[in-house]
Amino acid sequence: QQPVQSPQAVILREGEDAVINCSSSKALYSVHWYRQKHGEAPVFLMILLKGGEQKGHEKISASFNEKKQQSSLYLTASQLSYSGTYFCGTEARAGGTSYGKLTFGQGTILTVHP
Amino acid sequence: DARVTQTPRHKVTEMGQEVTMRCQPILGHNTVFWYRQTMMQGLELLAYFRNRAPLDDSGMPKDRFSAEMPDATLATLKIQPSEPRDSAVYFCASGLGITPSSYEQYFGPGTRLTVT
Repeated sequence: QQPVQSPQAVILREGEDAVINCSSSKALYSVHWYRQKHGEAPVFLMILLKGGEQKGHEKISASFNEKKQQSSLYLTASQLSYSGTYFCGTEARAGGTSYGKLTFGQGTILTVHP
Repeated sequence: DARVTQTPRHKVTEMGQEVTMRCQPILGHNTVFWYRQTMMQGLELLAYFRNRAPLDDSGMPKDRFSAEMPDATLATLKIQPSEPRDSAVYFCASGLGITPSSYEQYFGPGTRLTVT
């Protein structure tokens, strides 16, 4: 079942912050975040494996609340280059093993204006 | 700079024709995924392989789609016969898949398929 992302779209000015949420109805093993620019392939941003884990990538960070089956992506001091569609990919728990099978959310379109 | 490559990049074909898409994963990656992306359905997993063995193809229409890995450097996705509803961008992705922390997927540039 597809995770739900919110908001569907967000418009920012350079320097502003944004939060993108990803919520699943299933118990999660991991959450992945990808960014896709128009006409290009999705690009990996980060993976979160443990409940409560937070990771950072430049001014983009993410958290994972295992109990709530939710993850949030934080973009601070946004830059023009942050524009694109952000996807979360969730990996459901399946015993003790995992092969990285992801189910992607519908995406959040982020537009950053000068 | 290691990358996933896909051919062809664009394909226009008539309904009923066979379509074959090819993917060369990053050397050393042991997991390969096929995704389809449309505006309506988003990014859907069609099939994936680990060490060339198919692990899951439940996302694929079995009657017309088939996916194979004849060797470690080549993955193929075939549609026969193709239908207009198959029009989409098809992505191949590869990953190391050795430990959970290395499960990031690297996407190829995609094949844009148009079936008329």
